[in-house]
Amino acid sequence: NAGVMQNPRHLVRRRGQEARLRCSPMKGHSHVYWYRQLPEEGLKFMVYLQKENIIDESGMPKERFSAEFPKEGPSILRIQQVVRGDSAAYFCASSPRTENIQYFGAGTRLSVL
Amino acid sequence: GEDVEQSLFLSVREGDSSVINCTYTDSSSTYLYWYKQEPGAGLQLLTYIFSNMDMKQDQRLTVLLNKKDKHLSLRIADTQTGDSAIYFCAESRSNFNKFYFGSGTKLNVKP
Repeated sequence: NAGVMQNPRHLVRRRGQEARLRCSPMKGHSHVYWYRQLPEEGLKFMVYLQKENIIDESGMPKERFSAEFPKEGPSILRIQQVVRGDSAAYFCASSPRTENIQYFGAGTRLSVL
Repeated sequence: GEDVEQSLFLSVREGDSSVINCTYTDSSSTYLYWYKQEPGAGLQLLTYIFSNMDMKQDQRLTVLLNKKDKHLSLRIADTQTGDSAIYFCAESRSNFNKFYFGSGTKLNVKP
């Protein structure tokens, strides 16, 4: 059973470009969570999704950021018009249902030049 | 202020015990977790404890929870160089939807 898969592992974008980060949850998991880790800091919750639904987006910046988890395919975190302050590691986690364990992927490290 | 706080660094010698501490503020915390992050890697769940427990032991790891003081600790017995990593404390609340993480404690194990 493969773990949570994130790609790409590293992503470089210039200011103003778009960044798309993908997350495939563990097999059988229908709940996906995105977190952001700024340098030297802990992880901060961004958004919680179930298939085709955003359940909690209280940690998402109001502009430029969006997330989806379609019926088929991976969850996507999309950042439009990236700025240098978006440089961070973005982690995805999944769980099979609302339970007490989240399994994390290896993260996507976004660098904005 | 931060919901979950940890000291930033800990240095121990190989073979000694390591104790990593964490404090949290929310009394509705239901589960508390310890994750390990090696350089460039994701988070590996080490152990977790339900909030109505005081202690949990798993091989070299011992978790102690003082709910009154909102204090959590992770003890690693016989620390090895492979234990060098950043250790994150995290908590979940009644809805489990989001975890709240500390800033991480960087453990350095000297040979």
